[in-house]
Amino acid sequence: GENVEQHPSTLSVQEGDSAVIKCTYSDSASNYFPWYKQELGKGPQLIIDIRSNVGEKKDQRIAVTLNKTAKHFSLHITETQPEDSAVYFCAASFGNEKLTFGTGTRLTIIP
Amino acid sequence: GAGVSQSPSNKVTEKGKDVELRCDPISGHTALYWYRQSLGQGLEFLIYFQGNSAPDKSGLPSDRFSAERTGGSVSTLTIQRTQQEDSAVYLCASGALGGNTIYFGEGSWLTVV
Repeated sequence: GENVEQHPSTLSVQEGDSAVIKCTYSDSASNYFPWYKQELGKGPQLIIDIRSNVGEKKDQRIAVTLNKTAKHFSLHITETQPEDSAVYFCAASFGNEKLTFGTGTRLTIIP
Repeated sequence: GAGVSQSPSNKVTEKGKDVELRCDPISGHTALYWYRQSLGQGLEFLIYFQGNSAPDKSGLPSDRFSAERTGGSVSTLTIQRTQQEDSAVYLCASGALGGNTIYFGEGSWLTVV
């Protein structure tokens, strides 16, 4: 089955700086890669996703890049703000197979 | 409502009692997941339902845990003879057939005392 590794487990950045979280996956057939943000006391919410037919996708300050050859994908947050502080999870899947999550990254934005 | 609904939102139970947690997925969604999340930890996969296929139960931690999905919609996660280590947030998520995106509920916080 799929295995997803996520790094780092914790990340602190100064407000206004960029944050990058990286994930690697094991199953070369995986073709869907979402990122979720979980705020304290809430369920995870989808913030951006990418499919294997594209290499990069942007949504305002958030971008995701995918390297299919190396089997890794990354979340980039630019101009970080205090409200970006949360736990972020990456995931991977193929077709209707279950989504496999990474172990999470706790991002702290330092004012 | 439009989102995934879970109940109860909070449950305190005595060790040894059985508990049932309910998930109402988004209408029309055929995929349904249960995850467990201990305080400050990641998402532990429990079980995955996809349409009429046999569920993937590979994440259930013991035979005290079971889940059903009636009529392809509502799901119930049952924990028998609860133990203190079962204390966690139990999250449900649903997704549409042919799509991969899943949407989470707010979770059921279980405390076993």
